[in-house]
Amino acid sequence: AQSVTQLGSHVSVSEGALVLLRCNYSSSVPPYLFWYVQYPNQGLQLLLKYTSAATLVKGINGFEAEFKKSETSFHLTKPSAHMSDAAEYFCAVSGRNTDKLIFGTGTRLQVFP
Amino acid sequence: GAVVSQHPSRVICKSGTSVKIECRSLDFQATTMFWYRQFPKKSLMLMATSNEGSKATYEQGVEKDKFLINHASLTLSTLTVTSAHPEDSSFYICSATPGTGGFGYTFGSGTRLTVV
Repeated sequence: AQSVTQLGSHVSVSEGALVLLRCNYSSSVPPYLFWYVQYPNQGLQLLLKYTSAATLVKGINGFEAEFKKSETSFHLTKPSAHMSDAAEYFCAVSGRNTDKLIFGTGTRLQVFP
Repeated sequence: GAVVSQHPSRVICKSGTSVKIECRSLDFQATTMFWYRQFPKKSLMLMATSNEGSKATYEQGVEKDKFLINHASLTLSTLTVTSAHPEDSSFYICSATPGTGGFGYTFGSGTRLTVV
């Protein structure tokens, strides 16, 4: 069974500051890992995904995430926050032998001017 | 890129009526589609997985007779909320994938259902 844990339901940063959103996974098989962003009353947009190629994955809008097997982590980072980054972020996991995508509880990112 | 269209985006219905939500993959064949439910300020809860031409697989605790899922073609899945009640009010989101997880998942824009 797979699961993800997102530490911190709310994260607040100042514009221009580093963004760090935490995600730890649990999987009995090599996982696929994803980060999605959701704006109010909208669907989910894929930021990036890890599928066993490079452990440092670069996504859209300047986001990146690093797969660390030893720490079972896949934290999302962005060097400099922008006001438009304020949204809900979800980490998700699926296995190589399954097509189910399991979500974490989400982290709401607030960006202050 | 892959696009999934979900319709309607908002619907208001009376208690006891049924509502159908459509999910279409516009530029790829979706071997598998998923339906999620999202409560306010909560995460997405997987309701069911549907494969083209076969019965949907429902997650534990999801009433399959209330939430009817049909995956009639490789580009269309529908979710019908039968005999809707106010507690069914929620945000429903579909997603589609052409294969197993490594191919990625594309999400629809969601449907806000309000039952009055």
